[in-house]
Amino acid sequence: KAGVTQTPRYLIKTRGQQVTLSCSPISGHRSVSWYQQTPGQGLQFLFEYFSETQRNKGNFPGRFSGRQFSNSRSEMNVSTLELGDSALYLCASSPGQGTTGNTIYFGEGSWLTVV
Amino acid sequence: AQSVTQLDSQVPVFEEAPVELRCNYSSSVSVYLFWYVQYPNQGLQLLLKYLSGSTLVKGINGFEAEFNKSQTSFHLRKPSVHISDTAEYFCAVTKGNNNDMRFGAGTRLTVKP
Repeated sequence: KAGVTQTPRYLIKTRGQQVTLSCSPISGHRSVSWYQQTPGQGLQFLFEYFSETQRNKGNFPGRFSGRQFSNSRSEMNVSTLELGDSALYLCASSPGQGTTGNTIYFGEGSWLTVV
Repeated sequence: AQSVTQLDSQVPVFEEAPVELRCNYSSSVSVYLFWYVQYPNQGLQLLLKYLSGSTLVKGINGFEAEFNKSQTSFHLRKPSVHISDTAEYFCAVTKGNNNDMRFGAGTRLTVKP
């Protein structure tokens, strides 16, 4: 069974640009969540999507957005990039079918560098 | 809201020695606790989780953790570490049926020969 797949793995963007990251969850998983990992702030929850609806949202500005498609694949978008957005962006999936404490499986992440 | 504190940012240890990585949590409601490991340039891999039941949880790679409700702790242990255990370890908590997982700052375990 394929794991969580994220693309691209590495990318460099210029300040002010926008970026879109993609995530394909494990087959059958309907919940996709996104996390930002930086040396200074650690791992922080961005948002979670379940059945194409945003179910939870972390404390990030509106420049960070996401969506989920009918096949559970998800994208996240960051507009008007700032230097501080440089980070590892991790996608995670889980069945999300109402079982408490679902195990969350992580992808290998997308490394974003803003210059 | 729930939160996690990992008490040690770095833990150096010699190969074949035992190790304990400490984690304390705070929450006003029942929580679910997890330990993840991150190797360089990789995502997070689940080591073990506590949902309910037995307070001693066994995971992969010989790791185990004990849930202690009275001390609000979930410390990770391994009786004998290997060089390959060198990695960053994260304790995490969720409070229910969602993936809003709160992570500790991480503990860098370095195993020396």
